[in-house]
Amino acid sequence: QSALTQPASVSGSPGQSITISCTGTSSDVGGYNYVSWYQQHPGKAPKLMIYEVSNRPSGVPDRFSGSKSGNTASLTISGLQAEDEADYYCSSYTSSSTVFGGGTKLTVL
Amino acid sequence: QVQLQESGPGLVKPSQTLSLTCTVSGGSISSGDYYWSWIRQPPGKGLEWIGYIYYSGSTYYNPSLKSRVTISVDTSKNQFSLKLSSVTAADTAVYYCARDATGTHPDYWGQGTLVTVSS
Repeated sequence: QSALTQPASVSGSPGQSITISCTGTSSDVGGYNYVSWYQQHPGKAPKLMIYEVSNRPSGVPDRFSGSKSGNTASLTISGLQAEDEADYYCSSYTSSSTVFGGGTKLTVL
Repeated sequence: QVQLQESGPGLVKPSQTLSLTCTVSGGSISSGDYYWSWIRQPPGKGLEWIGYIYYSGSTYYNPSLKSRVTISVDTSKNQFSLKLSSVTAADTAVYYCARDATGTHPDYWGQGTLVTVSS
């Protein structure tokens, strides 16, 4: 299984919106509605932000939203805040296993 | 709320077996339909799923690591464990244990433990 493809970096100013893409294949992203997104601050464990494409766990702000079209999933963060600066990873279920994306570094300018 | 804590040697010699334990608190490891997972992250790199064990004992492994990985559970101690054999420097990473409620997305994670493979 190959890693999902994410842009290495994205940036945005406070208050703006950004979108991070996550491209896979019909065997993972395109084949299941089991895409998740994780936020990771330096030296910390990843935190689940989105699961099953577009669901938010309790406590995650509604500024975070997820979607999917074909083999590509997307994470959108609206109303960017300084504390959103972190690494973001997508993941997808695939045939009794899980595959992660390579990660995207979000910089809040 | 469930909490997970990894423990084990921080240094392992090449060709030896890496062994880590995850202690679960705030809930019984044998109650509920949970998958108990291991995920790793080499320094400065991305996440890699290693595998998980279902509460019933069934195991599922990353195909690229399957020949070297064993995940087991000890319900009497409320712990689950990871063994990775024949390690090389490429296995140096922060190893995380996590709970996965559906087998599709880890939701609760431990803080992670760094394991370095070096002679």
